[in-house]
Amino acid sequence: AQSVAQPEDQVNVAEGNPLTVKCTYSVSGNPYLFWYVQYPNRGLQFLLKYITGDNLVKGSYGFEAEFNKSQTSFHLKKPSALVSDSALYFCAVRERMDSSYKLIFGSGTRLLVRP
Amino acid sequence: SQTIHQWPATLVQPVGSPLSLECTVEGTSNPNLYWYRQAAGRGLQLLFYSVGIGQISSEVPQNLSASRPQDRQFILSSKKLLLSDSGFYLCAWKGTGVGYTFGSGTRLTVV
Repeated sequence: AQSVAQPEDQVNVAEGNPLTVKCTYSVSGNPYLFWYVQYPNRGLQFLLKYITGDNLVKGSYGFEAEFNKSQTSFHLKKPSALVSDSALYFCAVRERMDSSYKLIFGSGTRLLVRP
Repeated sequence: SQTIHQWPATLVQPVGSPLSLECTVEGTSNPNLYWYRQAAGRGLQLLFYSVGIGQISSEVPQNLSASRPQDRQFILSSKKLLLSDSGFYLCAWKGTGVGYTFGSGTRLTVV
């Protein structure tokens, strides 16, 4: 079965500093990986995905993620954090089911950007 | 454009009462639809998915059921709510591409 792990419950960073939210994956075959963000009491918003191609994927709101096959990682990054980036971030991998696919989510990492 | 609607946004229900949460999508046909539950503001657990009208698959045994009476409608139900059913319920759909789109969620509190 596919799985993703987010080793950090919370990441704290000062505004203007670079941020990294970590994700590692365990899959058989080629992974389809995703990052989502969730603001309080809201649904998940798509940030970016990796399917194939360039290892550096650019997404919404200035976020990017680097796919590293040798380290089985897909860390989310942003060069300069904003206070408004404070939210809950989820890494996910797509898994095949009988007649469809589903997303398997990590446990989430809370990002706190302080002014 | 493709959109997904979920309602109600919040719900407070007594133990033992019934539940009906509705999700509809617009701007697409024959979507794959999903119900997820998020407990304690963290991990998401897939509850049900549907690949077509009347086709429901359950991921985990529980006090809930799902139905898909129309192509773009997905309903989550319970005959008698338990305290443990409290959580944040999210509907999602997957179109022809790789992406998944989530609704805004329903916060259910069982008291």
